[in-house]
Amino acid sequence: AQSVAQPEDQVNVAEGNPLTVKCTYSVSGNPYLFWYVQYPNRGLQFLLKYITGDNLVKGSYGFEAEFNKSQTSFHLKKPSALVSDSALYFCAVRARNAGNNRKLIWGLGTSLAVNP
Amino acid sequence: GAVVSQHPSRVICKSGTSVKIECRSLDFQATTMFWYRQFPKKSLMLMATSNEGSKATYEQGVEKDKFLINHASLTLSTLTVTSAHPEDSSFYICSARVADTQYFGPGTRLTVL
Repeated sequence: AQSVAQPEDQVNVAEGNPLTVKCTYSVSGNPYLFWYVQYPNRGLQFLLKYITGDNLVKGSYGFEAEFNKSQTSFHLKKPSALVSDSALYFCAVRARNAGNNRKLIWGLGTSLAVNP
Repeated sequence: GAVVSQHPSRVICKSGTSVKIECRSLDFQATTMFWYRQFPKKSLMLMATSNEGSKATYEQGVEKDKFLINHASLTLSTLTVTSAHPEDSSFYICSARVADTQYFGPGTRLTVL
């Protein structure tokens, strides 16, 4: 069965420090991987995705993520955190050859708090 | 990027009434839209997949007669919560897919008194 794990319910980091939000997945075949961010009482905003090609993907707001096939991970990173990055982050995966079953499988979310 | 709007952003209704939520793709056509429900500080729960011109596909455990979905055009899908009860109070979010990426609306906060 397909699944996504975000092992940390909460991540705290000081402003200016690098941040990492972890995501591991289990899916048959090669995956499509996504990161979304959600600010309070708002919908989700697309940050970045891995489809194919370079394992290091760069996205919005200075975020990047690295696809690691051997570790089945897609951790989200940013070199220098901002207070405004504080939000809820979701990782999602879909099997590449999903056919008609193209639903995204979602992690439970990680709450990021960046402290001034 | 692709823009998805939702209306209303917030609605309060009495128990037993019905509420309609609209989801529009503003700058693209969406043959497939998704409706999610989100509880506080919880992940998204997919309720149904809405396909333009055909019946929606509901996830297991979601009552299709309670949560009516209509996707009558390539830019509009609606979710109607019928005979709403307090336990239906939640944050409802729609999403539309462009190629391999889903884009989300801003959400609708439903409170049933």
